[in-house]
Amino acid sequence: SQTIHQWPATLVQPVGSPLSLECTVEGTSNPNLYWYRQAAGRGLQLLFYSVGIGQISSEVPQNLSASRPQDRQFILSSKKLLLSDSGFYLCAWSVNGRGGTEAFFGQGTRLTVV
Amino acid sequence: DAKTTQPNSMESNEEEPVHLPCNHSTISGTDYIHWYRQLPSQGPEYVIHGLTSNVNNRMASLAIAEDRKSSTLILHRATLRDAAVYYCILRVGAGGTSYGKLTFGQGTILTVHP
Repeated sequence: SQTIHQWPATLVQPVGSPLSLECTVEGTSNPNLYWYRQAAGRGLQLLFYSVGIGQISSEVPQNLSASRPQDRQFILSSKKLLLSDSGFYLCAWSVNGRGGTEAFFGQGTRLTVV
Repeated sequence: DAKTTQPNSMESNEEEPVHLPCNHSTISGTDYIHWYRQLPSQGPEYVIHGLTSNVNNRMASLAIAEDRKSSTLILHRATLRDAAVYYCILRVGAGGTSYGKLTFGQGTILTVHP
């Protein structure tokens, strides 16, 4: 069966520090991968999505970047965190190329920038 | 991208049916209609999806209008555990210019009263 791992669960980082959040998927190959952010009390904002290794689509200009070094690994990074980067970060995957399949979400990372 | 419109909030009593509406007047022929729900501090959970025909599964039913410009998620007997934010999403099918993309709106906050 397929599983998605996302870590850490919580993170407190000072302003200006770097960030690296990692997400890995098991039990499938060539998945679509997604990074979302959810600010307190608001909906999910799509940050990045990837339909293949090295293929990253960015949805909003921001202080973050994403990379997909391996087929089932998706990394969210920042060189210098801002207070506005605080939020709940979620990784997700779905079967590639098929709009009729469901997406599976990780348990999320709650990031607080202080 | 085609967008969806949902009421900000709805309320229901336990054991009663709940009908959650969604408007998607700009839906294209290859867009699938997906529903997800999110419990507090958790990642979204897939509920159901469909293309043209009504769909049933163990969690809910999805009624799709004949012109596909609207749909309704039906919870047949609401329980307290169904209290969540429900998102109606359009997913581009294979071959679309934005295929793979999965964009969430603000969703409907469902409150279930005992």
